[in-house]
Amino acid sequence: DVKVTQSSRYLVKRTGEKVFLECVQDMDHENMFWYRQDPGLGLRLIYFSYDVKMKEKGDIPEGYSVSREKKERFSLILESASTNQTSMYLCASSFLRTWAYEQYFGPGTRLTVT
Amino acid sequence: AQSVAQPEDQVNVAEGNPLTVKCTYSVSGNPYLFWYVQYPNRGLQFLLKYITGDNLVKGSYGFEAEFNKSQTSFHLKKPSALVSDSALYFCAVPTSGTYKYIFGTGTRLKVLA
Repeated sequence: DVKVTQSSRYLVKRTGEKVFLECVQDMDHENMFWYRQDPGLGLRLIYFSYDVKMKEKGDIPEGYSVSREKKERFSLILESASTNQTSMYLCASSFLRTWAYEQYFGPGTRLTVT
Repeated sequence: AQSVAQPEDQVNVAEGNPLTVKCTYSVSGNPYLFWYVQYPNRGLQFLLKYITGDNLVKGSYGFEAEFNKSQTSFHLKKPSALVSDSALYFCAVPTSGTYKYIFGTGTRLKVLA
């Protein structure tokens, strides 16, 4: 079974802090994604990566950056956390560079910025 | 532009009754369509997908979905609902030319005992 793990289930940070969210997948997937999930808005794509050191902006990249130094690991960085970044963050991965394959999701990190 | 819509925020159904969760889409070309489910405090899980072929697609946990090209719909169905089916359901469509997916806003299904 594909396993996608995220470093924390719950995280509380203060405004202005630098925040790292880590995601690891064990199925050698090329594609990895970071989404945020907010009630009534569904899932919105922050960044995705289709290969090591490759990244592309999603729909809401402002205030975020990403890092993919190894194929299995994709990190989301909040350079200076703000209260409007309080949300559920979901990592996902998928096989091959095609949209015919489903995504596999991690359990999510619920981030609260105070 | 590609889009997907879930017109109902919430669907309530009695246990044992059939359920339908609606999804309509707008895509150019032949669509690839996905359904995911999210149980409380969990990530999303893949349920089923339509790529090509038979309009009725069968998936996990007894769910199926019917692709209707003329109505641009891909409704999720189950003949007999279980209380354990209560969850948040998302329809998704990939955007052509990229590796990005567009997700609907989600429909909360409540199955009442």
